[in-house]
Amino acid sequence: QKEVEQDPGPLSVPEGAIVSLNCTYSNSAFQYFMWYRQYSRKGPELLMYTYSSGNKEDGRFTAQVDKSSKYISLFIRDSQPSDSATYLCANSGGSNYKLTFGKGTLLTVNP
Amino acid sequence: NAGVTQTPKFQVLKTGQSMTLQCAQDMNHNSMYWYRQDPGMGLRLIYYSASEGTTDKGEVPNGYNVSRLNKREFSLRLESAAPSQTSVYFCASSRAGQGKNYEQYFGPGTRLTVT
Repeated sequence: QKEVEQDPGPLSVPEGAIVSLNCTYSNSAFQYFMWYRQYSRKGPELLMYTYSSGNKEDGRFTAQVDKSSKYISLFIRDSQPSDSATYLCANSGGSNYKLTFGKGTLLTVNP
Repeated sequence: NAGVTQTPKFQVLKTGQSMTLQCAQDMNHNSMYWYRQDPGMGLRLIYYSASEGTTDKGEVPNGYNVSRLNKREFSLRLESAAPSQTSVYFCASSRAGQGKNYEQYFGPGTRLTVT
């Protein structure tokens, strides 16, 4: 079993839809959780960072972590065409400075 | 602040040639990383440097060497390029080890083709 599993999509939604992106992980040592956004032919850009269970909100984006079920989610409200990108989840156990990435979900928001 | 910068942006090599990818960060981060990204494979860690003066292998180190030149700069060298090293290479940096700061910041990438 891979340490971080992420549905690769692709996911296509109409503008204004609520988008849900999800990852599961197997390593109980993971304490720090991140979501990155990667536009085509660009580097990954940090979107959200949390180190606790529960929800963290930033504008139209909400990151949700459930450590008991080892499940993390990113919700995008009122999705825009500019949200079209690949979204990667990443986790860290903190002790070895490394991140474990999911393979990314390709999202397209259609005008 | 420029963040993380990488040079070159694009490179084409012939099999057997060597080259060095350069990376620099201006965020005073302790830790730096080199990844490669291939379709369907996601981001894979090649080497990392937890602090100035240290380097460690990641998931896919074969065929690569690294140098942490100083706190700002971390270079990746391909001694004898192979077609399997055709990829997009990303450098990243982090304050990992400085409090609960494990998030990484990425450069724009280098697209390398080996023919």
